[in-house]
Amino acid sequence: GENVEQHPSTLSVQEGDSAVIKCTYSDSASNYFPWYKQELGKGPQLIIDIRSNVGEKKDQRIAVTLNKTAKHFSLHITETQPEDSAVYFCAASRGGGSNYKLTFGKGTLLTVNP
Amino acid sequence: KAGVTQTPRYLIKTRGQQVTLSCSPISGHRSVSWYQQTPGQGLQFLFEYFSETQRNKGNFPGRFSGRQFSNSRSEMNVSTLELGDSALYLCASSLELAGTGELFFGEGSRLTVL
Repeated sequence: GENVEQHPSTLSVQEGDSAVIKCTYSDSASNYFPWYKQELGKGPQLIIDIRSNVGEKKDQRIAVTLNKTAKHFSLHITETQPEDSAVYFCAASRGGGSNYKLTFGKGTLLTVNP
Repeated sequence: KAGVTQTPRYLIKTRGQQVTLSCSPISGHRSVSWYQQTPGQGLQFLFEYFSETQRNKGNFPGRFSGRQFSNSRSEMNVSTLELGDSALYLCASSLELAGTGELFFGEGSRLTVL
């Protein structure tokens, strides 16, 4: 089955700096790659996703890049703010179906210091 | 519109007991997925139900079971509880099968096994 590795497990940055979280996946047939943000005491919430037919996607301060050949994708947060502090999860999927599920990485705890 | 509702939010059980957790999805969503979240292990997939049928199952023992009702509400049951079952159990709903688009998570049910 799919295996998703996520690094780093913890990341501390100064407010205004950029943060990068990287994930690798094992199943070359995976074609959907979402990122979720989980704030303390809440459930994860989708912040951005990318499908395998594009290499990069941006949404304001957040961007995701995908390298299908190397089987890795990354989350980039620019101009970090204290409210960006949370746990971030990457995930990968073949796109649904009876035997394919969404597999998550183990998470990255991002701390943005004021 | 109302989000995903999980009950109970907190519960304490002793080893050997059983527990039932409930999840009410967003209206119109046909898929409900369950995840176990523990420190350092990220989100471990338990199972997914779509239109009352189990479509996917993770690598958990048979003590973990679930079901989905005709109104899409779902329950999961854990029998013969073990200390290692202590975790946050999250459910997520989606319009279509998980892995095809956005999952909407509840805030979770935190189970403590003594």
